[in-house]
Amino acid sequence: ETGVTQTPRHLVMGMTNKKSLKCEQHLGHNAMYWYKQSAKKPLELMFVYSLEERVENNSVPSRFSPECPNSSHLFLHLHTLQPEDSALYLCASSQGLRALQFFGPGTRLTVL
Amino acid sequence: GEDVEQSLFLSVREGDSSVINCTYTDSSSTYLYWYKQEPGAGLQLLTYIFSNMDMKQDQRLTVLLNKKDKHLSLRIADTQTGDSAIYFCAETPHAGNMLTFGGGTRLMVKP
Repeated sequence: ETGVTQTPRHLVMGMTNKKSLKCEQHLGHNAMYWYKQSAKKPLELMFVYSLEERVENNSVPSRFSPECPNSSHLFLHLHTLQPEDSALYLCASSQGLRALQFFGPGTRLTVL
Repeated sequence: GEDVEQSLFLSVREGDSSVINCTYTDSSSTYLYWYKQEPGAGLQLLTYIFSNMDMKQDQRLTVLLNKKDKHLSLRIADTQTGDSAIYFCAETPHAGNMLTFGGGTRLMVKP
């Protein structure tokens, strides 16, 4: 699991908090992804970055704000979340947008 | 657009074979993948098959591809309790879009 790392692994936050999730890939890939996994939707693509440019934003609420400062790092900034945002947030990377994706272990987020 | 579908749940007894099925709509898929997700973890690539192959075997895993019916299956021989997980199939379209995932099949292995 050292290819794609995510921190923190677990996060509990209140609805008024601001927090950030971090993803780092050590595979030399040029595309990175954020997914949300919950009981309602097993694997929901949120954001995609290719060569540090956002290429997809699947109608995600503005309380989620991604940032990709370089090809190895991806952040998901969280602000005034709702309890229904509680889920496992998975990061993935690939070499090219159509290629095999490698996943991190995820951040288990609980919003109180 | 592309659509990948899987049944939600499968329960088998330890030692039996498991067969997890997946159907897809994009006939120009190039690669098809199986990922495994254990509880509390991310997705790990289990195996894959190129679209010009019918079958691929890797130890206890057998992948069968029926391109005519757009049907992919994963057979796990001698299923163990450690195989309990969610299994996702995914496809790479021939051109354009990214990897498309199915909804996942939760495999439960009973002792």
